[in-house]
Amino acid sequence: EAGVTQFPSHSVIEKGQTVTLRCDPISGHDNLYWYRRVMGKEIKFLLHFVKESKQDESGMPNNRFLAERTGGTYSTLKVQPAELEDSGVYFCASSQEVFSGEQYFGPGTRLTVT
Amino acid sequence: RKEVEQDPGPFNVPEGATVAFNCTYSNSASQSFFWYRQDCRKEPKLLMSVYSSGNEDGRFTAQLNRASQYISLLIRDSKLSDSATYLCVVNMRAAGNKLTFGGGTRVLVKP
Repeated sequence: EAGVTQFPSHSVIEKGQTVTLRCDPISGHDNLYWYRRVMGKEIKFLLHFVKESKQDESGMPNNRFLAERTGGTYSTLKVQPAELEDSGVYFCASSQEVFSGEQYFGPGTRLTVT
Repeated sequence: RKEVEQDPGPFNVPEGATVAFNCTYSNSASQSFFWYRQDCRKEPKLLMSVYSSGNEDGRFTAQLNRASQYISLLIRDSKLSDSATYLCVVNMRAAGNKLTFGGGTRVLVKP
């Protein structure tokens, strides 16, 4: 069974540009999550989809971040316009159960904004 | 105050030795507790869930103390492959299904 995949693995962009990150969850997992780790800090929750619906987006830092999950399959996270403080590693995770601590993480996208 | 606090380490452990470390959580409404393992520049992976009665998985033992709001992880007979960052993770159903992570405890097992 394929795991969670993320694309790209690395992205370097200039401040003010736009970047779109993609996540493909494990097949059959209705729950998809985005997390972020900025340098020197702990991993922090961004948002949670159940199928195509946003269940919880309390962790989204501001309206420069837009997440979508078309048809309840893959998800994208767009940052527009990117700022220096957006640099970090963006992880996607998926789970089968709604209330489950067993979330399967993708390898992450390392975003550097210069 | 951070919601989940961990000693960042590193804990330098001789191969074959036992190492233990804790994490504390601030929200008494926390309901589920986990240890995740993260290797350098890799994704976190679930190591084990932590139950109120304590639980063991091979060389790993996890304990939960709700009264004092801390979780512990003990690794016996440490292997070189146990070198990693161990993340303490908390989940509150009232807050949805988001996981709250500690900053991690780094463990280095040396020959």
